[in-house]
Amino acid sequence: EVQLVESGGGLVQPGGSLRLSCAVSGFTFASYWMHWVRQAPGKGLVWVSSTNNDAGTTNYADSVKGRFTISRDNAKNTLYLQMNSLRAEDTAVYYCARLSGDYKMYFDYWGQGALVTVSS
Amino acid sequence: EIVLTQSPGTLSLSPGERATLSCRASQSVSSSYLTWYQQKPGQAPRLLMYGASSRATGIPDRFSGSGSGTDFTLTISRLEPEDFAVYYCQQYGNSLWTFGQGTTVEIK
Repeated sequence: EVQLVESGGGLVQPGGSLRLSCAVSGFTFASYWMHWVRQAPGKGLVWVSSTNNDAGTTNYADSVKGRFTISRDNAKNTLYLQMNSLRAEDTAVYYCARLSGDYKMYFDYWGQGALVTVSS
Repeated sequence: EIVLTQSPGTLSLSPGERATLSCRASQSVSSSYLTWYQQKPGQAPRLLMYGASSRATGIPDRFSGSGSGTDFTLTISRLEPEDFAVYYCQQYGNSLWTFGQGTTVEIK
């Protein structure tokens, strides 16, 4: 069974940092692109970042570029999102998601989400 | 960046009725890269349709997708109680993934 489990969320002050983790199981992690998608309270889904199989290729939404860093440890089957210089508008539930392996560019499995609250 | 606009924002229907949800792109999207998700309160999104018209595993055949270019549609032929939720379209292009703002299907 495919599972993605996020951790590391919490309350952080504006300007602070936080690192999210996403532990996966049930599939060959090293074979898949992985992504982070966020959802502000009561709002829609927003794509944040992606990494290819070996983290050699990463992409970011303009809103987080230069502040967030996506990474992965294929030996530990874990995806990360390092978030620096956090702002109130970064408050959201952050989901990790697996990109399908059939080149159709959709997210076929999602974690349950980790809530990040940026507030003083 | 391609912007996806979903309409209507909210659809108020009764169980058994037909739901038609629209997703319009600001420029042409490959139908291979147009996806629909369903999200219920407090839950992660769930994959519904990919490649504009292919149902994901376990999705009942009352769900169907169609469209090409800039106009895509998700249709639910007869609403079941478990179908009342928020629906998002999503596309991929130029190394970016974008979502529409969502359509809420609520019980009338």
